[in-house]
Amino acid sequence: AAGVIQSPRHLIKEKRETATLKCYPIPRHDTVYWYQQGPGQDPQFLISFYEKMQSDKGSIPDRFSAQQFSDYHSELNMSSLELGDSALYFCASSHSTTIKQETQYFGPGTRLLVL
Amino acid sequence: GDSVTQMEGPVTLSEEAFLTINCTYTATGYPSLFWYVQYPGEGLQLLLKATKADDKGSNKGFEATYRKETTSFHLEKGSVQVSDSAVYFCALSDGAAGNKLTFGGGTRVLVKP
Repeated sequence: AAGVIQSPRHLIKEKRETATLKCYPIPRHDTVYWYQQGPGQDPQFLISFYEKMQSDKGSIPDRFSAQQFSDYHSELNMSSLELGDSALYFCASSHSTTIKQETQYFGPGTRLLVL
Repeated sequence: GDSVTQMEGPVTLSEEAFLTINCTYTATGYPSLFWYVQYPGEGLQLLLKATKADDKGSNKGFEATYRKETTSFHLEKGSVQVSDSAVYFCALSDGAAGNKLTFGGGTRVLVKP
């Protein structure tokens, strides 16, 4: 079965640079979530999109922005990178129903290292 | 706000031992509960879930029962294998809070042969 695809898998950037992470959800999934997992920590919710509109916002820095496109893929744009942004960034997708959101399925993550 | 608390690790076991990882939660609505597993260097994989009180989720020999009265969702496996070594995350999704997942701190499990 098709899974969530994230690219790139690994990324190395310098401080103050920008980075763009991409997420391709499972086919027919209409909701995308972004999470950040610092070293040895649990994943923290950043932001989510449903049908190309932002649906929820968590602890996402103002330096970060994201969007969901017409083909449902999503991009997380990170500017003015800081050392503390080094983390594993997960994308998850789900197919919503009128009753309840379905299970979120995670991609393999993008490991970002800021030097 | 919503929160998940799970026992700290690491938990070190011998092969074929019984595993329990405690998880309790607080939520404003009626959450769905999940266990995700993360193997070294990999992403999060859904292990099992339960969407309402008294539901039991099960997969690959793991089980967890949604206990509303004790706000718990403890993970159990009767006989662990070396391949079960991983980090286990308990999580909840609360429809009243936008369906995002709130995770516990994770429990590292190490199974020795």
